[in-house]
Amino acid sequence: DAKTTQPPSMDCAEGRAANLPCNHSTISGNEYVYWYRQIHSQGPQYIIHGLKNNETNEMASLIITEDRKSSTLILPHATLRDTAVYYCIVRVGQGGSEKLVFGKGTKLTVNP
Amino acid sequence: DAGVTQSPTHLIKTRGQQVTLRCSPKSGHDTVSWYQQALGQGPQFIFQYYEEEERQRGNFPDRFSGHQFPNYSSELNVNALLLGDSALYLCASSAWDTQYFGPGTRLTVL
Repeated sequence: DAKTTQPPSMDCAEGRAANLPCNHSTISGNEYVYWYRQIHSQGPQYIIHGLKNNETNEMASLIITEDRKSSTLILPHATLRDTAVYYCIVRVGQGGSEKLVFGKGTKLTVNP
Repeated sequence: DAGVTQSPTHLIKTRGQQVTLRCSPKSGHDTVSWYQQALGQGPQFIFQYYEEEERQRGNFPDRFSGHQFPNYSSELNVNALLLGDSALYLCASSAWDTQYFGPGTRLTVL
């Protein structure tokens, strides 16, 4: 079973920030939080990941709470092309054995 | 630098047949994982290959088997196809950290 909980759907206006929450209250100290997104019928696209500190790249920012029990993915200026299912994943396994356990994700709809 | 590639893009088979799906990892990646994604669901882990050996396996029957070649490319084989095997099959490659996914193969079993 997935170790994360996400809202099933969210809406966002184009040009505004999209903030996608994720709960992972049972996360272990050496487990990372990964975010992927999947545009209809395509392969999941890696967005960002983090362990403790906040992370930012060209696609998004990841904010992890100090107790690491939840996180938020931020798309700073959402566009229509950001409409997708967003998956928050806590990576399981040791070393290079990194099975990903997907939940149902959050369906983000960006509206004009 | 080519990303993860998969072939074929689409495939139609009938019940009882066998199918082989192929995956080429990103350059520099030595680990290949396979996932099955049924309609409306998140991807489910099938198995992972590293150094030509199956390293980890999800909750899938023995009808699902795989192989990894010396050049790190991989195949997924499914025998005795069932209607329920209809899904998007995803391949992901990695080196030691992040997995990157291919576009998938859409398998339809009639």
